[in-house]
Amino acid sequence: AQSVTQLDSQVPVFEEAPVELRCNYSSSVSVYLFWYVQYPNQGLQLLLKYLSGSTLVKGINGFEAEFNKSQTSFHLRKPSVHISDTAEYFCAVSAAGTSYDKVIFGPGTSLSVIP
Amino acid sequence: KAGVTQTPRYLIKTRGQQVTLSCSPISGHRSVSWYQQTPGQGLQFLFEYFSETQRNKGNFPGRFSGRQFSNSRSEMNVSTLELGDSALYLCASSSGRHYEQYFGPGTRLTVT
Repeated sequence: AQSVTQLDSQVPVFEEAPVELRCNYSSSVSVYLFWYVQYPNQGLQLLLKYLSGSTLVKGINGFEAEFNKSQTSFHLRKPSVHISDTAEYFCAVSAAGTSYDKVIFGPGTSLSVIP
Repeated sequence: KAGVTQTPRYLIKTRGQQVTLSCSPISGHRSVSWYQQTPGQGLQFLFEYFSETQRNKGNFPGRFSGRQFSNSRSEMNVSTLELGDSALYLCASSSGRHYEQYFGPGTRLTVT
């Protein structure tokens, strides 16, 4: 079974500053990794995903994440945040392979961008 | 393509009643998953349907059930509602490829 840890429940950051949201996972098999964003009163939207290949993944809205297998991490970064980035961010994991496995979400990190 | 739609968007029920929520996936998607989101428990997986069959199930009591129709539309039913069932219920559809999911806006259920 897989599990996901997001160590920071809340991250305040000033506008135009860089940000890193941390995600660590646990799994005995190869995984697919995802970051989703949820704006207030909305569903989740996929930011980016890691399936295989390059460990640096670029997503929408200027976000990127790096897969580190040895540290079982998939941290999300943005070099300069905007007010509109204020939202809840979820890291998710699922087992890679041919048989389906459910997607496990982390508890979420609330990003607050301060003007 | 139209996105995932969920109806109704908001619902108020009283304890002991039952409720049915509906989800229409993106055209061509055969997998539909349901999640419960609460401030205390976060995003919890309820179940997933693929081609009308329940393929995965989370750790929820039997009061929570679902089904999927031949057109991939899905319904979720909660019987004998409890106050703790108040939550945002999210539906997500997937083509099945790499488990990438597309979420609907959710149904906000309030149990009084």
